[in-house]
Amino acid sequence: EVQLVESGGGLVKPGGSLGLSCVASGFTFSNYNMNWCRQAPGKGLECVSFISSLSYTYYADSVKGRFTISRDSAKNSLYLQMNSLRAEDTAVYYCAKEGSKEGSGWSLDFWGQGTLVTVSS
Amino acid sequence: DIQMTQSPSSLSASVGDRVTISCRASQTISSYLNWYQQKPGKAPRLLIYAASNLQSGVPSRFSGSASGTDFTLTISSLQPEDFATYYCQQSYSLPRTFGQGTKVEFK
Repeated sequence: EVQLVESGGGLVKPGGSLGLSCVASGFTFSNYNMNWCRQAPGKGLECVSFISSLSYTYYADSVKGRFTISRDSAKNSLYLQMNSLRAEDTAVYYCAKEGSKEGSGWSLDFWGQGTLVTVSS
Repeated sequence: DIQMTQSPSSLSASVGDRVTISCRASQTISSYLNWYQQKPGKAPRLLIYAASNLQSGVPSRFSGSASGTDFTLTISSLQPEDFATYYCQQSYSLPRTFGQGTKVEFK
């Protein structure tokens, strides 16, 4: 059974930093692209960071230069380091596995339960 | 970035109704279009991938179709557990982008 378990969310002041983690199980983590997606309160979904199986990274403009995505295949873990946080970064952050091109058209086939990040003074 | 435009933003329906939700991409995305269901306080759940493929475990009342850059999610007979918000998402290019969502409410 595929499981993704996020941790690290919490309350942080504007300008502060926070690190999120996601531990994966039930699949060969090193073979798949991974994403961090977020959902602000009452709003829609936004994927902010992507890392390929070969560690190519991509960031949405809204977080570029402030967030860093990384992965450790030995620990089956995905990370998101968030710096210079702003009020508009307040959201539930989800770790999401991307399926293969052939098997699922690169859809986000499994999601974690999410972790809440609140940026407020 | 590819813009995804969903319509309607909300709809009211009754159990047993046929429901259709539309999604339009701002440029060609081939068939790299996915549909998700989200219930309050829960993570999104993949329903349909690559425009028309039913994800394992998803009831067959859900279906997807495509015509150029226009995509449709259909629920053939709405069930009580289907009241939720639905999102389309393109996986053709980075960044992966979503439509704004369609909330299906009880009439």
